[in-house]
Order: sequence, then structure tokens, then C-alpha cells
Amino acid sequence: SQQGEEDPQALSIQEGENATMNCSYKTSINNLQWYRQNSGRGLVHLILIRSNEREKHSGRLRVTLDTSKKSSSLLITASRAADTASYFCATPVGNTPLVFGKGTRLSVIA
Amino acid sequence: DGGITQSPKYLFRKEGQNVTLSCEQNLNHDAMYWYRQDPGQGLRLIYYSQIVNDFQKGDIAEGYSVSREKKESFPLTVTSAQKNPTAFYLCASTGTGSNYGYTFGSGTRLTVV
Repeated sequence: SQQGEEDPQALSIQEGENATMNCSYKTSINNLQWYRQNSGRGLVHLILIRSNEREKHSGRLRVTLDTSKKSSSLLITASRAADTASYFCATPVGNTPLVFGKGTRLSVIA
Repeated sequence: DGGITQSPKYLFRKEGQNVTLSCEQNLNHDAMYWYRQDPGQGLRLIYYSQIVNDFQKGDIAEGYSVSREKKESFPLTVTSAQKNPTAFYLCASTGTGSNYGYTFGSGTRLTVV
């Protein structure tokens, strides 16, 4: 049961540039969450945005949520080589556990 | 430091063998989860437990079993009935309610030999 779908599947940018990833989902949500996964590692929770919020910031991360379009975006500003990872959006569907998308693979080239 | 520990990091299984993956957390979280990740794919839910002595099947529970005898522990057994078990297995936990992020372990990579 796929809920979130990230776009693009892969993204390659130069260090210092901004990276934008998008997530679309299908049903009403309580919140939407973004996670990062370095190769071969577990996922790390980045940010949670509630359905009544439109924008949230955390350091170099900016997340927006548009519930009318059922979409969210994650912006990483001034990217660094250490930002190279896969990024996933995830939503709880009702009271069920998080459903994850397939992720965006970000490569930041020094 | 609080966290969630998965062991072993790498596991090799022979055909027809059952293996158990360990997941322990000291975060005092009520809910725990097992996900499976195949190369280049997202995470698929195997089982989850929201309280001790209770658990529910996820989307791909066939060939797997779990127990939740203690709040801190949620082991996953990959049985011989799971025909394609080679994958990366991730355990996670979270507090009660849906407005919390998940804390993940570092994963167990299982390979059939």
C-alpha cells in the first residue's frame, strides 16, 4: 500500500547548490515526515510537518506541505558532500504505521 | 545514550533454516516496527507492535514471525517459509501517538547462502 511517492528518483548537484525533492501522497494525513538514509545504514528522522502547518525549517532544511495538492517538498540549501544520501517521505495512514515512498537518491559532488 | 540496537549487522542463512534478528531499545517507546528494504526500494512493513504481548501483521508478514514479551525487545524470526529473505531489515520504535518520528536501528543485512 504505497502512500508517498518521491520525485525525482535521483538528483545530482554540485556542492553549494540547493536540492529540492518532492513527495506526493494519496489520502488525507495527520502529518508527513522526511527521513535520510546513508548507504547501508538505518534511517534518520529529519523533520515532521503536521497537516495544519504549511512550512517548517530545521537548519538548512525547509519543508513545505500543500494539503490541497497532497504534496510536500524538502529543500536542502547550500548542500554539502555529506548530504549525499537517500531521502524518504513517509506518512501515517490513519492509526497505521508509517508508509514510505521509494526515496530520492541525492548525490552532492564536491 | 538512548537508542535502538539491531544485531547482528550481517547474517547468513542456509536454505530451510530459521534465523532470528534482534532489536532492543532503551527509549521507553511503546511501539516497535520491522521493515524490509530491497535494493533501491522503499521500506515495506513486516510486523508491528504497539504494546507488550500484542502485535499486528504488516503488508508482507508471510514467512516471518515476531514476539513482544518485553517492552524493550521485538525480535523477528525469518522462517524457512520465506522464500526470498535476502534483504536489509530495519527495526524502528516510536512513542505513543502518530505525531512522533521514528527512531531506527542500523539494520541487519540478511543473505541466503
